[in-house]
Amino acid sequence: GEDVEQSLFLSVREGDSSVINCTYTDSSSTYLYWYKQEPGAGLQLLTYIFSNMDMKQDQRLTVLLNKKDKHLSLRIADTQTGDSAIYFCAGSSGSARQLTFGSGTQLTVLP
Amino acid sequence: NAGVTQTPKFQVLKTGQSMTLQCAQDMNHNSMYWYRQDPGMGLRLIYYSASEGTTDKGEVPNGYNVSRLNKREFSLRLESAAPSQTSVYFCASSDYGDYGYTFGSGTRLTVV
Repeated sequence: GEDVEQSLFLSVREGDSSVINCTYTDSSSTYLYWYKQEPGAGLQLLTYIFSNMDMKQDQRLTVLLNKKDKHLSLRIADTQTGDSAIYFCAGSSGSARQLTFGSGTQLTVLP
Repeated sequence: NAGVTQTPKFQVLKTGQSMTLQCAQDMNHNSMYWYRQDPGMGLRLIYYSASEGTTDKGEVPNGYNVSRLNKREFSLRLESAAPSQTSVYFCASSDYGDYGYTFGSGTRLTVV
């Protein structure tokens, strides 16, 4: 099955860019996802990338996918205090496209 | 509002008690999932239902059972709760998963 790894913590200054990294093992994942979780809430889908794409941009978010190295990253431009949250990457596999999640990266934005 | 509704939001159980977590979605999604979230471990899949009438085990199914009651509803049952089942439980649904899941707001369960 899929195995997904992320670093646990990241701190940035408000206005800087944040880069959250993720590695995965299952090269058959058709889609790869980024989710955001704010305190006490469920997970919110931020963006996803199809496996045959290298990059996807959506306003302040840029996703980069390196299939050769099985590496996924999420860049947040002009990071704001409201971006403080836990960010999860996930890959899909199986008949029901079951998602396997990384352990999450706690992003702290300092004023 | 359209989405995934979980009940209850909070629950405290004594060891050995049973309970059922309820989940319902109104987006006409085919697939539904139960995850548990523990600190530093991300979300782990307990059970899933690819379509109405089917259920399958995920990564951590021991101590749980599920029922896909109809297309809308997918319940998770703890027959004899243990302290190791203290966690936050999330239900999610998708239209075969390709475009991501919609998550409920979670059930915070404590077993004492």
